Amino acid sequence: DQQVKQNSPSLSVQEGRISILNCDYTNSMFDYFLWYKKYPAEGPTFLISISSIKDKNEDGRFTVFLNKSAKHLSLHIVPSQPGDSAVYFCAANTGGGADGLTFGKGTHLIIQP
Amino acid sequence: NAGVTQTPKFQVLKTGQSMTLQCAQDMNHEYMSWYRQDPGMGLRLIHYSVGAGITDQGEVPNGYNVSRSTTEDFPLRLLSAAPSQTSVYFCASSYSTRGAKNIQYFGAGTRLSVL
Repeated sequence: DQQVKQNSPSLSVQEGRISILNCDYTNSMFDYFLWYKKYPAEGPTFLISISSIKDKNEDGRFTVFLNKSAKHLSLHIVPSQPGDSAVYFCAANTGGGADGLTFGKGTHLIIQP
Repeated sequence: NAGVTQTPKFQVLKTGQSMTLQCAQDMNHEYMSWYRQDPGMGLRLIHYSVGAGITDQGEVPNGYNVSRSTTEDFPLRLLSAAPSQTSVYFCASSYSTRGAKNIQYFGAGTRLSVL
């Protein structure tokens, strides 16, 4: 039973355009959501997060949107750059913070020149 | 500032062998966790700890043991390795401070093959 779902295994976007990565969740107890970026042979690195009391959080080129009623969040990258090519993981937590994160399977973003 | 350090980076074991994956963090984080990542899968939680002397099981704990004798170290033990434990293992740590506590910082990983 997958509680965090990323239904697109891969996404190809042209450099300079907008990249939109999607994530759905089923556990209504999740109240904190995070996006991680991962390059090959490296550990995941934190990108951006959002609390369930908000519907948008922005950090430079990265914006995360949360739709609680639809149990859906998305990560927007504008403009997309070659260095953005990586695997992006959506993760969620039930707010206590202590008991780890539940991850989706990831989306491989490829930025084409 | 080293962050989260995992050793070794690579390891090959034979079925039935035991080993310990090391994890150390120098950020004075209270929370530490172990995850495994298999091809085409996200990271799955093995064990976690909220402080020295306190550990608990995650989603996939079978075949693994942990202990937390200090704040800095959180080793993961494979008692009798099986081919199903071939994976990439990630250690992570985070603060317990409200607001920042959910942001986990990861090590570079240990790539384990069990033959």
